[in-house]
Amino acid sequence: KAGVTQTPRYLIKTRGQQVTLSCSPISGHRSVSWYQQTPGQGLQFLFEYFSETQRNKGNFPGRFSGRQFSNSRSEMNVSTLELGDSALYLCASTPRQGEETQYFGPGTRLLVL
Amino acid sequence: KNEVEQSPQNLTAQEGEFITINCSYSVGISALHWLQQHPGGGIVSLFMLSSGKKKHGRLIATINIQEKHSSLHITASHPRDSAVYICAVEETSGSRLTFGEGTQLTVNP
Repeated sequence: KAGVTQTPRYLIKTRGQQVTLSCSPISGHRSVSWYQQTPGQGLQFLFEYFSETQRNKGNFPGRFSGRQFSNSRSEMNVSTLELGDSALYLCASTPRQGEETQYFGPGTRLLVL
Repeated sequence: KNEVEQSPQNLTAQEGEFITINCSYSVGISALHWLQQHPGGGIVSLFMLSSGKKKHGRLIATINIQEKHSSLHITASHPRDSAVYICAVEETSGSRLTFGEGTQLTVNP
């Protein structure tokens, strides 16, 4: 089975722009979670989707949003980018919500200039 | 105070040494995860624990729910074990993960 894939792998944007990141979970996995990793804050939970519904949301402003499609692929969007949004964005999938092991993708490294 | 605290933050060992990384948490949890992150960012899930002890190869993870403490042990450490090890807890209210700051492990040959 192919692993979790994320596109793009690297991205450079400027302040004020918006960005959309994509995550394709392992085939058959229906739960997708998104995380942000920065040197200062470490890893932080963004949101979790299961069967196209957002089940959990972390403490991030409304500029951060996401969605999940019927094929379980997920996208996250960040609008009005700020310098502090520069981070590694990781997604992880599990077969069902609350399933044991989370399978992480390689991440998208976003740089905001 | 962070909900999840790891110690030490940095650890340097010689090949073959026995290594212990500790994780303490302050919230109620349904499970605790140990993750490994290599340079470049890729994260691998090592263990998920809700009680007792699990072993996989040279890695052993234990958890004491009453004391809100978990340890990750590496026996016969090897330079390829060099990575950041991250503890994360799954709160009882849902499946969101709260992460520790990570332990940077360097194993020298």
